[in-house]
Amino acid sequence: GENVEQHPSTLSVQEGDSAVIKCTYSDSASNYFPWYKQELGKGPQLIIDIRSNVGEKKDQRIAVTLNKTAKHFSLHITETQPEDSAVYFCAASRTDSSYKLIFGSGTRLLVRP
Amino acid sequence: NAGVTQTPKFRILKIGQSMTLQCTQDMNHNYMYWYRQDPGMGLKLIYYSVGAGITDKGEVPNGYNVSRSTTEDFPLRLELAAPSQTSVYFCAGGNSGGELFFGEGSRLTVL
Repeated sequence: GENVEQHPSTLSVQEGDSAVIKCTYSDSASNYFPWYKQELGKGPQLIIDIRSNVGEKKDQRIAVTLNKTAKHFSLHITETQPEDSAVYFCAASRTDSSYKLIFGSGTRLLVRP
Repeated sequence: NAGVTQTPKFRILKIGQSMTLQCTQDMNHNYMYWYRQDPGMGLKLIYYSVGAGITDKGEVPNGYNVSRSTTEDFPLRLELAAPSQTSVYFCAGGNSGGELFFGEGSRLTVL
């Protein structure tokens, strides 16, 4: 089955700097890669996703890149703000598998003011 | 719209007891999921459903059961609770584009 590894487990950056979180996946048939943000005491919330027919996707300060050959994808947050502090999860699934998301272990991002 | 509602938010069980975590959604999503989240371990899929009357196992189904008699409800049953089932449980509904909408979680402690 699918296995998703995520690094780093914790990341501390200065406000205004960029943050990068990386994930690798094992199932070459996976074709959907979302990123979720989880704030303290809340359920995860989708912030951006990418499908295997594109290599990069941007939404304001957030971007995701996908390298299908190497089976890895990354989340990039630019101009970080204190409200970006949260736990971020990557995930992978096949769209023909009822979107059974397999999650990485999470990255705790701290943005220092 | 309330989205996905989970009850209870907190529960303490004794070893061997049984309970049901309730989950209901008002977004008319066909897909529903149960995940558990252990500290530093991400989310693990327990069971999922693609529609009323259809359920299937995820990564970690042992010790749990589910049912899906209606589109709205997807309860998770724990039989013979064990300390290893101490966790935070999240229910989610999913749309056809793959986005999952999570509830706020149910924190379960088994002593």
